[in-house]
Amino acid sequence: DGGITQSPKYLFRKEGQNVTLSCEQNLNHDAMYWYRQDPGQGLRLIYYSQIVNDFQKGDIAEGYSVSREKKESFPLTVTSAQKNPTAFYLCASSALQGAGTDTQYFGPGTRLTVL
Amino acid sequence: GQNIDQPTEMTATEGAIVQINCTYQTSGFNGLFWYQQHAGEAPTFLSYNVLDGLEEKGRFSSFLSRSKGYSYLLLKELQMKDSASYLCAVMDSNYQLIWGAGTKLIIKP
Repeated sequence: DGGITQSPKYLFRKEGQNVTLSCEQNLNHDAMYWYRQDPGQGLRLIYYSQIVNDFQKGDIAEGYSVSREKKESFPLTVTSAQKNPTAFYLCASSALQGAGTDTQYFGPGTRLTVL
Repeated sequence: GQNIDQPTEMTATEGAIVQINCTYQTSGFNGLFWYQQHAGEAPTFLSYNVLDGLEEKGRFSSFLSRSKGYSYLLLKELQMKDSASYLCAVMDSNYQLIWGAGTKLIIKP
């Protein structure tokens, strides 16, 4: 089955620790995205990538880092510099960024709680 | 700035019809998307509109008026499983999605 997987579904970390969230897709999509979702707010873009070894900052990139070494994988690291990291993190992918009909498809999400 | 407005919460009765509105002000327009999101789960794609008019897909329809910066999602024959949040998102001139905060739809028997 084609799809996007994120792991783990729930993650607990102590304040000051870095943590990496995984995102894998087997849809052969070029573009991948990381969003953060907080209660009462719209999804906010953290980083996105259109091709391997290239990525761009979104609206709230501070305190986060990413890599895109393979087309299928786009891991997100939440660093200790992120001031309020507790949130629901969603990874998405689409066929080709730049065309209006490129629908983004989402993974199941990772709920990160920093204690 | 860019802005997407949707009602925070709506309540409807099983079997009825509900219309969820979305108004937007964005830098450019390259289409409007509707997604459904059940609590604690990922958003799933419902519809896409780029031209004015109504797009129908089974029990769900989506309407767009670009001149008014307005869209609505129409859900017919409501079922209990339609209880979810409905997210409106607009693709701006940079092909980035700008998201509304979502409308939580509560279906009562």
